[in-house]
Amino acid sequence: NAGVTQTPKFQVLKTGQSMTLQCAQDMNHEYMSWYRQDPGMGLRLIHYSVGAGITDQGEVPNGYNVSRSTTEDFPLRLLSAAPSQTSVYFCASTPTLTSTDTQYFGPGTRLTVL
Amino acid sequence: GDSVTQMEGPVTLSEEAFLTINCTYTATGYPSLFWYVQYPGEGLQLLLKATKADDKGSNKGFEATYRKETTSFHLEKGSVQVSDSAVYFCALAGGTSYGKLTFGQGTILTVHP
Repeated sequence: NAGVTQTPKFQVLKTGQSMTLQCAQDMNHEYMSWYRQDPGMGLRLIHYSVGAGITDQGEVPNGYNVSRSTTEDFPLRLLSAAPSQTSVYFCASTPTLTSTDTQYFGPGTRLTVL
Repeated sequence: GDSVTQMEGPVTLSEEAFLTINCTYTATGYPSLFWYVQYPGEGLQLLLKATKADDKGSNKGFEATYRKETTSFHLEKGSVQVSDSAVYFCALAGGTSYGKLTFGQGTILTVHP
């Protein structure tokens, strides 16, 4: 198993550009989520999905879109990048929807918006 | 809403020193509590967890006990190693959260030989 994979590892954008961060998992997990990590603030939930075709907003959803067409993939789209979106982005998955489950994280994408 | 507060960092220790990283939480219901660790340049991985009051999670010499009366989940290790240098995150998942994690701000630990 590759676990949770993310691409790219690094990305530099100019303000106003769009891009998609890719996330895939091969563990057949129902639940997937996106977090952003900023210094001194821990990780904050952007969007999550409880299964294919079902997504919902987390704590900081503005400026981001997601979709979940398959169990395996959960891309995060930045429609018009802003400097405030400079961050490290982590995708995570967990096998079920219970609070006791471990979440499995990808290696992260470091995004810089100029 | 749910929240997690970790002790201020960074923490710098000598090898073989005793480690405590404090974590307190606010949540409705009966959350599960986690410690995740992030080694340099990597994603987060589970260190240990506890899913009900008085449970003790343990792994790699680290321990934490779920204390409902003090709403705490402090991380301890009796003798740290240089390889323990990392960022440590306390987190909770509430009873109806569908697995969504609420994180503390993270504590940077540096261990010197």
